[in-house]
Amino acid sequence: EPEVTQTPSHQVTQMGQEVILRCVPISNHLYFYWYRQILGQKVEFLVSFYNNEISEKSEIFDDQFSVERPDGSNFTLKIRSTKLEDSAMYFCASSDEGNIQYFGAGTRLSVL
Amino acid sequence: AQSVTQLGSHVSVSEGALVLLRCNYSSSVPPYLFWYVQYPNQGLQLLLKYTTGATLVKGINGFEAEFKKSETSFHLTKPSAHMSDAAEYFCAVSANSGGYNKLIFGAGTRLAVHP
Repeated sequence: EPEVTQTPSHQVTQMGQEVILRCVPISNHLYFYWYRQILGQKVEFLVSFYNNEISEKSEIFDDQFSVERPDGSNFTLKIRSTKLEDSAMYFCASSDEGNIQYFGAGTRLSVL
Repeated sequence: AQSVTQLGSHVSVSEGALVLLRCNYSSSVPPYLFWYVQYPNQGLQLLLKYTTGATLVKGINGFEAEFKKSETSFHLTKPSAHMSDAAEYFCAVSANSGGYNKLIFGAGTRLAVHP
């Protein structure tokens, strides 16, 4: 069964460093998303991406964040200068026209 | 605007007992509704979905949910709980407008199952 793959599973970084979280969506999907879940809190929408551009972004998704689909298969989330409050589980999801989103297992980001 | 309210952050049941996890939504457009399950240290797995058509939807692992427009509810049930059902359950809503749509999640309900 096709699945969304995220790497790494756990990323530890120092405050102020740049991190790139990687995702390989399901191959025939057209819509891509990033969500995050701070420990003990609800899952929050960050950004959606379609046709090589951002479709929608939340207020969380400020100038420190960027997304890219560099090679037609990967979908990346970059945090330019990490802050302590960026520590969270980051989930990638993808969907086709049917609007059902399939999630990866997540990347746990720990900012020290 | 859309929102989801899950009543009860923690629910505890005995093995074999009925599971009922409550979800109410608010949506200005016809909603798509979802339940996702998150096992410890894992990602989100789609349990079931309502898009259009039959209001009683069946999902994996014996779960089902009923869309009640008049009550703006989408409660999740399972007749008989198993120990393996212990997990966190998230109700989510998106706009029924095709193409991409962000999911709005509830705060989650942690289900504990006792022997």
